[in-house]
Amino acid sequence: GIQVEQSPPDLILQEGANSTLRCNFSDSVNNLQWFHQNPWGQLINLFYIPSGTKQNGRLSATTVATERYSLLYISSSQTTDSGVYFCAVEAGSYQLTFGKGTKLSVIP
Amino acid sequence: DAGITQSPRHKVTETGTPVTLRCHQTENHRYMYWYRQDPGHGLRLIHYSYGVKDTDKGEVSDGYSVSRSKTEDFLLTLESATSSQTSVYFCAISGATGRPEAFFGQGTRLTVV
Repeated sequence: GIQVEQSPPDLILQEGANSTLRCNFSDSVNNLQWFHQNPWGQLINLFYIPSGTKQNGRLSATTVATERYSLLYISSSQTTDSGVYFCAVEAGSYQLTFGKGTKLSVIP
Repeated sequence: DAGITQSPRHKVTETGTPVTLRCHQTENHRYMYWYRQDPGHGLRLIHYSYGVKDTDKGEVSDGYSVSRSKTEDFLLTLESATSSQTSVYFCAISGATGRPEAFFGQGTRLTVV
């Protein structure tokens, strides 16, 4: 099956700093999504982005499908951005496969 | 709000007993998924459904079965619970018209003692 690798596995930021999270995948995909899991365990969909660039407030994402990677940018980070960020892909089999996530800690 | 609820939210059960978790959705999503989340493993797919009575196995399906007799409900059954099935279980939905994103339920924390 398709492999999804996220980096870095852990990231500690000072409040106000910017960061870039990366997701590499091993095959062509027709669906790529980013999720945030908050410290209470809730999973929130951030972006549906199989290709191109999207922005939502301080967050933006870019997927370069031909090179099999996606990037999630977080600008001016806040403590509420803490949690785990997951990338998930689907390659035509209805199965949404997740990476192992990037754990982000934003400290005041 | 994507209209997805899981029940129960917490359950403690004994080894060898059957357990059924329920996922209910109200927005006519075609696809439904069951994942388990364990430290160090992220989210791993157990089973998924692409329509009523249409289901298939995911990465970690051994020891689990599912049923989807109507669009709204996707049931996950542990036929005979084992301690290795202690985990947090998440249901996800996707595929409603005009909504390609996936949405997750609140999760069910299952402890097998």
